Amino acid sequence: DIQMTQSPSSLSASVGDRVTITCRASQGISNYLAWYQQKPGKVPKLLIYAASTLQSGVPSRFSGSGSGTDFTLTISSLQPEDVATYYCQKYNSAPFTFGPGTKVDIK
Amino acid sequence: QVQLVQSGAEVKKPGASVKVSCKVSGYTLTELSMHWVRQAPGKGLEWMGGFDPEDGETIYAQKFQGRVTMTEDTSTDTAYMELSSLRSEDTAVYYCATMNGYSSGWFDYWGQGTLVTVSS
Repeated sequence: DIQMTQSPSSLSASVGDRVTITCRASQGISNYLAWYQQKPGKVPKLLIYAASTLQSGVPSRFSGSGSGTDFTLTISSLQPEDVATYYCQKYNSAPFTFGPGTKVDIK
Repeated sequence: QVQLVQSGAEVKKPGASVKVSCKVSGYTLTELSMHWVRQAPGKGLEWMGGFDPEDGETIYAQKFQGRVTMTEDTSTDTAYMELSSLRSEDTAVYYCATMNGYSSGWFDYWGQGTLVTVSS
């Protein structure tokens, strides 16, 4: 099975900072990658699919890129409401594995 | 707009089974590909399995093979996930989620989650 890793596992940044999270697949998955945001105590929310397509209603400060094995999620200007854990997920084929998550908080 | 409403929290003893329901509204269950994801306390998201409408089969993560059964009642638009031989490590929030696409896709709608606690 394809393994998903994320780095860093956590980060602390200031409001307005540019934040980048990396997701890596152990084998190529083309662009079959999604990103989710999970705020504390809440249900996961889809942010991005097809590696770079923003889900409707998601603020434009979020963006995704990558293909093959290496992907990034970027928050261009971190806001207090972005405090959350972010997960990547592969969906090229089963098993639809999630990455271990990256916890983002405000410095 | 799809809405998924799950059944309430459960407390079970080790060795027992639990059955969680997920009621669909806004669409019919036959129009959707329903999957289940769980999250242990303080841990990440773990895909458990789901229905592939393209071949009419339910696919399960290897970890849960033989212990999990996912079913659907299309007359009531309700999906079910039953997990047997429960152990403490199964304590988690269980989510139903719809897959955008047939055999593969992202999860676009999620239920509110059902906390299952396994404790003697």
